[in-house]
Amino acid sequence: DAGVTQSPTHLIKTRGQQVTLRCSPISGHKSVSWYQQVLGQGPQFIFQYYEKEERGRGNFPDRFSARQFPNYSSELNVNALLLGDSALYLCASSLGDLISNQPQHFGDGTRLSIL
Amino acid sequence: QKEVEQDPGPLSVPEGAIVSLNCTYSNSAFQYFMWYRQYSRKGPELLMYTYSSGNKEDGRFTAQVDKSSKYISLFIRDSQPSDSATYLCAMRRIQGAQKLVFGQGTRLTINP
Repeated sequence: DAGVTQSPTHLIKTRGQQVTLRCSPISGHKSVSWYQQVLGQGPQFIFQYYEKEERGRGNFPDRFSARQFPNYSSELNVNALLLGDSALYLCASSLGDLISNQPQHFGDGTRLSIL
Repeated sequence: QKEVEQDPGPLSVPEGAIVSLNCTYSNSAFQYFMWYRQYSRKGPELLMYTYSSGNKEDGRFTAQVDKSSKYISLFIRDSQPSDSATYLCAMRRIQGAQKLVFGQGTRLTINP
């Protein structure tokens, strides 16, 4: 079975530009979460979406936004890119919602480099 | 102070050794605990997932949770060079968003 797939795998942008990252969850999974992982650190939670609604948001500026589509895939958008946005962006999917104890499974991420 | 503390290492051990990886946390609301393995240029891969205090075993891996001490551990028996990776502990609350809070990760090298 296909795992979580993310595209593109690698992206290079310049400061001030905008970027859109895409994620397809594991088949049957309805919850998608986004994380940012800076080199040498653990992932930091950005958003969770379930049934197309935002269910949680981490401590990130409004330049970060996301949405989930009827097929449960998701996009993460980042506007006005800063050098500090350079990171590995990870998508994770799980079966359930807020009180679910289902674990999250991660894709291999999109490596975003800002020049 | 970080909610989850994990020694970043690096940790280097000979093949066949028993490896012990640990995390401490400060938030007593954390009830689900996970260990992920991350190879270079890959996403985190779920290794162990526990809820209650005590031990959970899966092959060469044992996860241990001590909620009274706010301390979790992962033991790897008969370590192999293929176990060389970064190991991340993660935890979350029962309710609310499925927000995982991660440790910094421990970089582990198993030497043949």
